Amino acid sequence: SQTIHQWPATLVQPVGSPLSLECTVEGTSNPNLYWYRQAAGRGLQLLFYSVGIGQISSEVPQNLSASRPQDRQFILSSKKLLLSDSGFYLCAWSQDRGISYEQYFGPGTRLTVT
Amino acid sequence: AQKITQTQPGMFVQEKEAVTLDCTYDTSDPSYGLFWYKQPSSGEMIFLIYQGSYDQQNATEGRYSLNFQKARKSANLVISASQLGDSAMYFCAMREGPSDYKLSFGAGTTVTVRA
Repeated sequence: SQTIHQWPATLVQPVGSPLSLECTVEGTSNPNLYWYRQAAGRGLQLLFYSVGIGQISSEVPQNLSASRPQDRQFILSSKKLLLSDSGFYLCAWSQDRGISYEQYFGPGTRLTVT
Repeated sequence: AQKITQTQPGMFVQEKEAVTLDCTYDTSDPSYGLFWYKQPSSGEMIFLIYQGSYDQQNATEGRYSLNFQKARKSANLVISASQLGDSAMYFCAMREGPSDYKLSFGAGTTVTVRA
């Protein structure tokens, strides 16, 4: 069966510090990968998605970047965090075939920028 | 413009009763998919049910069913026989196009099940 991991679970970082969040998927190959951000009490905002190694599409221009160095690894980064980067970050994956393309989510990372 | 609208910010339901969560969507693409996710307080998003735009029958998954009214662009989630563990936030989402991978999410509805 497939599983998705995210770490760290929680993170408190000062403004201006760098960020690296990691997501890995097990039990599948060539998944589509996604990074979302959720503000408190709000819906999910798609940040980046990737259909293959080195292929990154950005949905929202911002202070963040994403990379996919391996087939099942997706990394969210920032060189200098802003207060507005605080939120709940979720990684998700979906199959590259099928009909519904439902996405399966990781446990998330709660980021607080102070 | 909002692609997914969930107008109920919060709902209370008595244990063992059914509850309907509203979702309306906006798309001009004839091929699309509709999803419902559950987010408990732990934060993880749990996939519940899927309805394709060409599906003739309403989707069902255990106690979850989707009331799909295509002409009204409505995809309401019905949870039958509510349980305390159903207390969570519920999100409606849409995928547009036959092969677009991206999902647009609504703002969510918080459901609280009372004993």
